[in-house]
Amino acid sequence: QQQVKQSPQSLIVQKGGIPIINCAYENTAFDYFPWYQQFPGKGPALLIAIRPDVSEKKEGRFTISFNKSAKQFSLHIMDSQPGDSATYFCASPTGFQKLVFGTGTRLLVSP
Amino acid sequence: DAGITQSPRHKVTETGTPVTLRCHQTENHRYMYWYRQDPGHGLRLIHYSYGVKDTDKGEVSDGYSVSRSKTEDFLLTLESATSSQTSVYFCAISEPTGEGTGELFFGEGSRLTVL
Repeated sequence: QQQVKQSPQSLIVQKGGIPIINCAYENTAFDYFPWYQQFPGKGPALLIAIRPDVSEKKEGRFTISFNKSAKQFSLHIMDSQPGDSATYFCASPTGFQKLVFGTGTRLLVSP
Repeated sequence: DAGITQSPRHKVTETGTPVTLRCHQTENHRYMYWYRQDPGHGLRLIHYSYGVKDTDKGEVSDGYSVSRSKTEDFLLTLESATSSQTSVYFCAISEPTGEGTGELFFGEGSRLTVL
C-alpha cells in the first residue's frame, strides 16, 4: 500500500514560533500535495495544496515547501497563533481523485 | 460549508450487530468516500464511489460494504460489527477539477463504539 510518512506526531510551540511538519511520500499518481487541518470534533478541511511546478507555495502564514528529488514536502506556519492549534494531515494521490493521508500531527500553540 | 450530512453522529452498538452509516450531500459531487480515523493511523480510506452504483475498495475495506443508489447518498454498512471497528467515520465528497485531484470536503464525522 502506498504510504505517506508524517512527522512529528505531536508538536508544541509558543505563540509566534514556526512549527514545521514534514512528510515523505512514495510514488505518486499525480503531482498534487495537499495539507488538511482538523479542529476537535470537526472534519478535516483543505488548508493549502501545491502542484509542484514550483518548489514553494505561500498562503497567508502557511507555506508548503516541496523537494521532488527527495520525495518530501513540509508545512511551515509563520507567526503561529493559539487558533492554529489543530491536527494537520499531509496527503498524496494514489490514483484519480484518491488520496492517502499521513498519520497526522497534533499541534499545540501555547499563548 | 459543503452540504454534507452524516447520520447518526454517535452510535453505541454491540459486537455482532449490523450497523449502517449514512452520508447525504447536496453538492451533486460525483465522488464520495468513507474514511475512518484512528489514533496513530490518521485517515484511512474504506471505500469510495465514482458514480451511482460505481464503487471500489480502499485500503481498509474488510468487514465493510457500501452502496450508492442515488448521487446524493452513500451508505456504509458493517454487516457484523467488531470492537476493532470502533472509530470515527468520515464521509467526504469531491468533484474532479480537470487537473487530476480535486479538493475533498469532509462531513463532521460519525463516532461509532462497538462494545
